[in-house]
Amino acid sequence: NAGVMQNPRHLVRRRGQEARLRCSPMKGHSHVYWYRQLPEEGLKFMVYLQKENIIDESGMPKERFSAEFPKEGPSILRIQQVVRGDSAAYFCASSRKQNQNEQFFGPGTRLTVL
Amino acid sequence: KQEVTQIPAALSVPEGENLVLNCSFTDSAIYNLQWFRQDPGKGLTSLLLIQSSQREQTSGRLNASLDKSSGRSTLYIAASQPGDSATYLCAAYGGSQGNLIFGKGTKLSVKP
Repeated sequence: NAGVMQNPRHLVRRRGQEARLRCSPMKGHSHVYWYRQLPEEGLKFMVYLQKENIIDESGMPKERFSAEFPKEGPSILRIQQVVRGDSAAYFCASSRKQNQNEQFFGPGTRLTVL
Repeated sequence: KQEVTQIPAALSVPEGENLVLNCSFTDSAIYNLQWFRQDPGKGLTSLLLIQSSQREQTSGRLNASLDKSSGRSTLYIAASQPGDSATYLCAAYGGSQGNLIFGKGTKLSVKP
């Protein structure tokens, strides 16, 4: 039973380019969460999705960031026109249910913006 | 707004010592509290999940307790080993926000 999968593990982009981060939840999990870990800071919630729905995006920056979890395929976190401040580790987690349920994390994607 | 604090930020102990990591949270209306381990450059490994109705959970040498009334959780590690060296994170779920709120972690170093 594979865990949460994220790819790529490392991503380098130049300022102004687009970054696409992918997350495949654990088998049987229909809830996906994205978190960001900035250097020397704790993990911060970004967005919570179920299949085809964004449930809570209160942690997402207002511009340039978007997320989706289509009916088929992985969840995608998309960052347009990246800036150096976007450099961070982006983690995806999944759970079977929302409330009272354990979240399992992927290995993360480390984004570096040059 | 839920805030999670972990003390100390860093801890260094000799091998074999028993130790306690502390976590406090401001909003006691949580559904559960989860402890994680993070190795450098790696993802998070879930260690223990304590539901709001529970007082503690145990897994091997690890024991986590939860006291909602005082807004505190502790992670007890018995007979520490060098392989326990990592950053330990606690995260509260629920209250007014339906997602995990993380502390900044305690970086543990166990010296052989």
